[in-house]
Amino acid sequence: SAVISQKPSRDICQRGTSLTIQCQVDSQVTMMFWYRQQPGQSLTLIATANQGSEATYESGFVIDKFPISRPNLTFSTLTVSNMSPEDSSIYLCSTLLSGWEQFFGPGTRLTVL
Amino acid sequence: SQKIEQNSEALNIQEGKTATLTCNYTNYSPAYLQWYRQDPGRGPVFLLLIRENEKEKRKERLKVTFDTTLKQSLFHITASQPADSATYLCALDTPSNTGKLIFGQGTTLQVKP
Repeated sequence: SAVISQKPSRDICQRGTSLTIQCQVDSQVTMMFWYRQQPGQSLTLIATANQGSEATYESGFVIDKFPISRPNLTFSTLTVSNMSPEDSSIYLCSTLLSGWEQFFGPGTRLTVL
Repeated sequence: SQKIEQNSEALNIQEGKTATLTCNYTNYSPAYLQWYRQDPGRGPVFLLLIRENEKEKRKERLKVTFDTTLKQSLFHITASQPADSATYLCALDTPSNTGKLIFGQGTTLQVKP
């Protein structure tokens, strides 16, 4: 298994500002994923972040709004830019190890006022 | 696009009984299907993976079935305990075979003592 931590665990932000969420894995991994979980909803994949390449975004998500960095095999960041109240969600990172099961971080609960 | 349907209503059962949760999908048949558990304020935790050529998978008190003809998976918890109370998410892989998952909305299980 993998131990994944996220920072911050929660934040309250003003509209129009940006927040960067950090995801740290305790081992080297190739693939990392970023999800959004809106209140009462399931997880929606934002993008896949592989080290050494540009992040791949899912339909409905764009790099200008959700820039992602993947500087090494244990770390990734997701920035939520120019926030609006609709961005209030839980943001989760996850990774794959040797199989197809994903290991998730604890999530970052974002509230935008 | 793939759609996943899980019972949106909470499932309430008595301790000791078997809980059965349903996951239906509408489009392509996935190569594998996964079940996750999510507790409030936490990221999902992987429980079981079942492949398209497997009818049934067991792990301790958990059992998953996969019927590609019906496009359905059933998730059973036998001898349920109050500690099993959580939201259970069904997830399917995508044709890209990159590890990306599509999640259902989840079913909340409440086991009463």
